[in-house]
Amino acid sequence: KQEVTQIPAALSVPEGENLVLNCSFTDSAIYNLQWFRQDPGKGLTSLLLIQSSQREQTSGRLNASLDKSSGRSTLYIAASQPGDSATYLCAVIVGTGGFKTIFGAGTRLFVKA
Amino acid sequence: DTGVSQDPRHKITKRGQNVTFRCDPISEHNRLYWYRQTLGQGPEFLTYFQNEAQLEKSRLLSDRFSAERPKGSFSTLEIQRTEQGDSAMYLCASSPYGTEQETQYFGPGTRLLVL
Repeated sequence: KQEVTQIPAALSVPEGENLVLNCSFTDSAIYNLQWFRQDPGKGLTSLLLIQSSQREQTSGRLNASLDKSSGRSTLYIAASQPGDSATYLCAVIVGTGGFKTIFGAGTRLFVKA
Repeated sequence: DTGVSQDPRHKITKRGQNVTFRCDPISEHNRLYWYRQTLGQGPEFLTYFQNEAQLEKSRLLSDRFSAERPKGSFSTLEIQRTEQGDSAMYLCASSPYGTEQETQYFGPGTRLLVL
């Protein structure tokens, strides 16, 4: 059974810091891995999608890496800003024939001005 | 393209009542997904559709839950005989082409409170 774990559960940093969010999954047989952002009481916004054959993806100040063999992904946020404050969720797509998306519980990030 | 929309945004109901939620995906997106999210947790997969066909159902989707996508466009999620444990945010997402390699686009969610 695939399980997704995110560490840390919560993180508070001063503005301008570079930070790393961690995601681990127990079964390396995944189609892809996505990082999402969720603001309080809102839906999810996709940040980055890494295909199973890829090692990393970048978008602006965000960089996500994927190591399937070790079951790990990291989301790197450069020069953090107060507007980055949100919950960051990692999700893997798994399955044969049909498929399902399995999420971690998220990392709640607070960036202090 | 107006994004994924969900209706209602909030629903308060009494235990034992039936509720129905609607999701309108991004136009012409083939895949549509339903998730449930409780406070402090990530979304839990419930089911997904490829056009009008329901291809996967989670064991979380008990007999009281049913989802439809009759014409391959909007979808409804019905919960019968609601219980307090059904209180959660119900999220809908869609993706365009029907492969596993695609980004999912989420709606704002319907927050259900069962009293």
